[in-house]
Amino acid sequence: GAVVSQHPSRVICKSGTSVKIECRSLDFQATTMFWYRQFPKQSLMLMATSNEGSKATYEQGVEKDKFLINHASLTLSTLTVTSAHPEDSSFYICSADPGGVTEQYFGPGTRLTVT
Amino acid sequence: AQSVAQPEDQVNVAEGNPLTVKCTYSVSGNPYLFWYVQYPNRGLQFLLKYITGDNLVKGSYGFEAEFNKSQTSFHLKKPSALVSDSALYFCAVRDLNTGTASKLTFGTGTRLQVTL
Repeated sequence: GAVVSQHPSRVICKSGTSVKIECRSLDFQATTMFWYRQFPKQSLMLMATSNEGSKATYEQGVEKDKFLINHASLTLSTLTVTSAHPEDSSFYICSADPGGVTEQYFGPGTRLTVT
Repeated sequence: AQSVAQPEDQVNVAEGNPLTVKCTYSVSGNPYLFWYVQYPNRGLQFLLKYITGDNLVKGSYGFEAEFNKSQTSFHLKKPSALVSDSALYFCAVRDLNTGTASKLTFGTGTRLQVTL
């Protein structure tokens, strides 16, 4: 089956530093990847849609300069949280769309804690 | 705009009893409908989907869901619940008319608690 990995699974960083999260589709190519944020006991909030070779499309209210997304290849998208603050602490989940089929495949998530 | 409603924050059921997790949706065109399950500190696992055809779709782990166009519902069901089914369940919709790589819209999630 289709597998999506995320790295790291957990990260703790100090306020003001930047953190990069990787999302990889391991056995398929994904022209589109999605980045979500999930607060405790809440649903997934779509942050941005990442298309290979082009700029990401951000949802309303999501700061593109704060959350940098790069989709450099058909199997890798990265999310960089710049100048992180404690309010950026959250569970970040990516998904990948192989195209031609209907369901997205989700990564296991990354727990970010900013101290 | 598309939307999904999961009216129950939590569903409690005894092991061995049937379970239903409710979902209703709203889209402008024809919907793709999905159910995902999330275990603590994990990503989402795909359970089942409705695209077209038979209104009753069967998925992983004995789950099934019934698409009802007139009621715009896609309730998740299982004839006999297991304690291991306890998790957070999300219903999601994708509007066919907005392209093949269109966004998923998720419901707020329903926590299923199965007890002995």
